[in-house]
Order: sequence, then structure tokens, then C-alpha cells
Amino acid sequence: TQLLEQSPQFLSIQEGENLTVYCNSSSVFSSLQWYRQEPGEGPVLLVTVVTGGEVKKLKRLTFQFGDARKDSSLHITAAQPGDTGLYLCAGGRGYSTLTFGKGTMLLVSP
Amino acid sequence: AAGVIQSPRHLIKEKRETATLKCYPIPRHDTVYWYQQGPGQDPQFLISFYEKMQSDKGSIPDRFSAQQFSDYHSELNMSSLELGDSALYFCASRILAGGSPDTQYFGPGTRLTVL
Repeated sequence: TQLLEQSPQFLSIQEGENLTVYCNSSSVFSSLQWYRQEPGEGPVLLVTVVTGGEVKKLKRLTFQFGDARKDSSLHITAAQPGDTGLYLCAGGRGYSTLTFGKGTMLLVSP
Repeated sequence: AAGVIQSPRHLIKEKRETATLKCYPIPRHDTVYWYQQGPGQDPQFLISFYEKMQSDKGSIPDRFSAQQFSDYHSELNMSSLELGDSALYFCASRILAGGSPDTQYFGPGTRLTVL
């Protein structure tokens, strides 16, 4: 059973379009991390959200943690080919290991 | 800023051979995690160490063992390798004091190919 459901699993869009990736769970997490991973490389941390309702912005990326800390979203504005990659959400519960979603593979075409 | 270092980056082994993967966490990070990621899969947690003691155990096969040394680097030892062990192996580290205790920082990974 996947505790963190990510959707969509795959997204192919044109440069300049907007998109939103969702990460949902029935469980409460103390924090939610978003990572971006390129083929053959390690996941690179984008952001950590810890407070219910928190919104963080990283240039064209906007991250939101749900009020109940069970879900999160990543919104990308005006996507660029450099945004192409696998986006992973991961939930944390204190000092235990992270629970990962299956990931969203994003392909942005010029 | 210093990142997690893993070596080697690529490793090719034959079936039934052994392999040792090394991880050097970010300085002052006290916890190391090992993950295995198969093609098209999310990272699967194997094992973790906090202050040189095993802190959590995931889906690590009995053929694998790991330890964390006094300088906080960690090694994952894999014996009797099988074809199915071919995967990317990541090490991640975190710091207990300060920042978010949940946040893990990943290394670039070791790609293990078993022939």
C-alpha cells in the first residue's frame, strides 16, 4: 500500500504551460519534502513544508502543504524544458525514514 | 556547500560476487539512510544509522549489511549478488539539531549493475 499517492504519474506539456502535481495521503505527516530527480542522479531537495496551510515559493515553483498536513501540491508556472525531471514528494514523521510517493515524470517540450 | 558523497558512482559485478558502497554524509550530519531505486521506481528504504547505531531497518535483504563508522561515513556491503540487485543505490544524510529533522539530503548515487 502506497501511503503517498502522487498524480499525475506522467505529464507531457509544452514550454510556457502551467501545471500542478498532487501528493495525497490519508495519514498526517510532520513535514513534506519535494525533490526533483534527473535520470541516474540523486534526488535534489526543492523544499520542505512543515506547517499546515504553508505556502512556499521557489522562483516559478509554488509548494503548498494542506491544512491537515495530509496532502501537498506543486505548481509550476510557465514551465521550461529545464524543469523536465522526476518530481518526488516524501512525507516525514519525526525522526523516522521518509515515505516516498511514486513520483511524477514531467516532460517539457520546447 | 558540501553535499553527500558516494563512491563508486558506477559498479559492475558478476552474480554471486560482493560489493561495497561508501557514503560520506554532509559534515555535522549525524544520520545516514540507504535507499535502493529500481528503474521507474521510487526510492525504497533499506537501513539507517544514527550516531553510528542502526536506527531503522527497511527492506534490506539478509545478504546486505551496513555500518556507520566513527567519522560518520557509512558502508553498504552486499554479498552473493543477484541480477535483481541491479539498481541505483542512494545514501542520504540529515542533521538532528536545527532545521527540519525530516529533511534528508541525497547523494548522487551508485549505479550497480550485476551481470
